[in-house]
Amino acid sequence: AQSVTQPDIHITVSEGASLELRCNYSYGATPYLFWYVQSPGQGLQLLLKYFSGDTLVQGIKGFEAEFKRSQSSFNLRKPSVHWSDAAEYFCAVKDSGNTGKLIFGQGTTLQVKP
Amino acid sequence: DVKVTQSSRYLVKRTGEKVFLECVQDMDHENMFWYRQDPGLGLRLIYFSYDVKMKEKGDIPEGYSVSREKKERFSLILESASTNQTSMYLCASSFLRGSGYTFGSGTRLTVV
Repeated sequence: AQSVTQPDIHITVSEGASLELRCNYSYGATPYLFWYVQSPGQGLQLLLKYFSGDTLVQGIKGFEAEFKRSQSSFNLRKPSVHWSDAAEYFCAVKDSGNTGKLIFGQGTTLQVKP
Repeated sequence: DVKVTQSSRYLVKRTGEKVFLECVQDMDHENMFWYRQDPGLGLRLIYFSYDVKMKEKGDIPEGYSVSREKKERFSLILESASTNQTSMYLCASSFLRGSGYTFGSGTRLTVV
C-alpha cells in the first residue's frame, strides 16, 4: 500500500532563511504528488503538484518542490521564509486505484522566528 | 476558483445526538471526500463519493454515514455522536480522479 512519510513533525526557521520540508513516499509506479498548506483553523490549500514531466515544480507563494525518483522523495523548498509561512504542511500521494483518494503524511508544523 | 463550503465552522453537540455536517461545492466535481483531522494523526479518510448516490468507505467509517443525493452536496452524518468524535472535519472535492483536492474551511465539532 502507498504511504507518505514526513520525517519532521516540527521545524523552526528564522525569517529570511531558506526552508526545506522533507517528504518520502512509497509507490510502485510514477506517483501523483501534492503539497498542501494549512493555516491555523483553516482548511488545506494546494501549494503545488507533480504528475509528470519536469521534476522541479513551481507552486504558489514562492514554493517549489523537486521529485527525485531514486530517493522516493518530493521535498518542498522556499529560498526565503516569511513570517506568514508559519503553518502546517502536508505532503500527499494519489492512491493507486481509480478513486482519486489522496494519502496524506502526518504533517510538518513550521514555526518562523522573527 | 472552485469553492467548497462547509455549513458550520464550529459546532457543539451532546452525546447521542444525530449530527449532520454539510458540504457544498460549486464546480460540478464528481469526487467528494470527508476527512477528520486530529493532532498527531493527520488526516484520515472517513467516506468518499465519486458520483451521485455512490459512496465508498474510507479508513475510519465506523460511527459515520454519508449522503449524496445531488452532485454538489455531500453530507456526513454522525448517527449517535460520541465524545471520541470530537475533531476537525474537512470536506474536499476534485474534478478528475487524482487531480488534487479543493478543501473546505473545516468544521470543528465538539461533542460534550
